[in-house]
Amino acid sequence: QVQLVQSGAEVKKPGASVKVSCKASGYTFTDYYMHWVRQAPGQGLEWMGWIYPKTGVTDYAQKFQGRVTMTRDTSISTAYMELSRLRSDDTAVYYCARGFRGSFECWGQGTLVTVSS
Amino acid sequence: EIVLTQSPGTLSLSPGERATLSCRASQSVSTTYLAWYQQKPGQAPRLLIYGASSRATGIPDRFSGSGSGTDFTLSISRLEPEDFAVYYCQQYGSSPPYTFGQGTKLEIK
Repeated sequence: QVQLVQSGAEVKKPGASVKVSCKASGYTFTDYYMHWVRQAPGQGLEWMGWIYPKTGVTDYAQKFQGRVTMTRDTSISTAYMELSRLRSDDTAVYYCARGFRGSFECWGQGTLVTVSS
Repeated sequence: EIVLTQSPGTLSLSPGERATLSCRASQSVSTTYLAWYQQKPGQAPRLLIYGASSRATGIPDRFSGSGSGTDFTLSISRLEPEDFAVYYCQQYGSSPPYTFGQGTKLEIK
């Protein structure tokens, strides 16, 4: 079955960078867009961007332009999201999610990133 | 930016009752690209409905979606104990391409 397994929780200081991984299994990794969505504590969902694993093409939400980088390693069916210049309001659970007809069909378990001095 | 407004913020119902959740868009949304999700505490969201009315794989038929243009509805015909959660609508369209509503919390009365 389709599965997305993310890396573990991270604690970072303001100004640092974090890189979260998302390993896909149960389907052909290069056939589906991979999105990243975050959720601050007690808040709603916020789309960050996508990567198309087959080509490596990306599209980022304007809010994160210049701070986010999405990459992939097709040899191990893994997508990555790196967020730089972290601030306290970047504290959130970060999810990867497989795209499907404009929606998000399957989600990783989430990675908590805490930004604190 | 298309803003999705969900109502009510909190809905208190009993198991066995029918739930009706609303999602209103600030501009017209293609029915092809309107989805609903369920999220339980400590879990990732789960896709329930895509294309405004198509159930995702494995979703029970007590969940149904409807609507067009700017008004969309998620209905749960007979609430089961496991249905009490937060529900989000989401659209795909113009910049930013993906936006979510703020959520409706469905709680046990």
